[in-house]
Amino acid sequence: RKEVEQDPGPFNVPEGATVAFNCTYSNSASQSFFWYRQDCRKEPKLLMSVYSSGNEDGRFTAQLNRASQYISLLIRDSKLSDSATYLCAVPNQAGTALIFGKGTTLSVSS
Amino acid sequence: EAGVAQSPRYKIIEKRQSVAFWCNPISGHATLYWYQQILGQGPKLLIQFQNNGVVDDSQLPKDRFSAERLKGVDSTLKIQPAKLEDSAVYLCASSYSISGGGTDTQYFGPGTRLTVL
Repeated sequence: RKEVEQDPGPFNVPEGATVAFNCTYSNSASQSFFWYRQDCRKEPKLLMSVYSSGNEDGRFTAQLNRASQYISLLIRDSKLSDSATYLCAVPNQAGTALIFGKGTTLSVSS
Repeated sequence: EAGVAQSPRYKIIEKRQSVAFWCNPISGHATLYWYQQILGQGPKLLIQFQNNGVVDDSQLPKDRFSAERLKGVDSTLKIQPAKLEDSAVYLCASSYSISGGGTDTQYFGPGTRLTVL
């Protein structure tokens, strides 16, 4: 299993749709997980941190499944402004830095 | 609060030339990271500093890449000589804690987009 692997996408959804992305990780000892958002030609920005079973922030929900070693990001009521690439990040074995997935691209259309 | 600053924003060079990038982290942040992001990929860590010491440079191609963080604040990343495959965005990030970059929120700068011809 790769250290961090994401749904390849792209995901094309209409406004108002609910969409979910998955991210699998290999380091079973990981205690923290991150979702970053990256707009086209911009830097990644932290969207959500996950330290236990999950986290919710408005329309965004991150869920952690330790047994199966994956985290998911659920976006409800998609907006045009949600169009971006979503990067999953997991600590490396030493816990000193983050390993990023390739990202999943979301395109929301009207 | 000022964010992570990087310069230049864009650079075009020919292969075998040298190039240097500069990063100024958020004030008070102990840990600084340099990432390489190739088109269609996630950021890949090149080197991580805690204050002015190197924590991890295992993925830094040391035959051509070098980095320093003098006085534990600003940092420079140099490529000499550049290859075509070095074309990428070079992102600098910083985080507050020195306890572990795997748990601390990282703040990214706007990046330097390098094109090697």
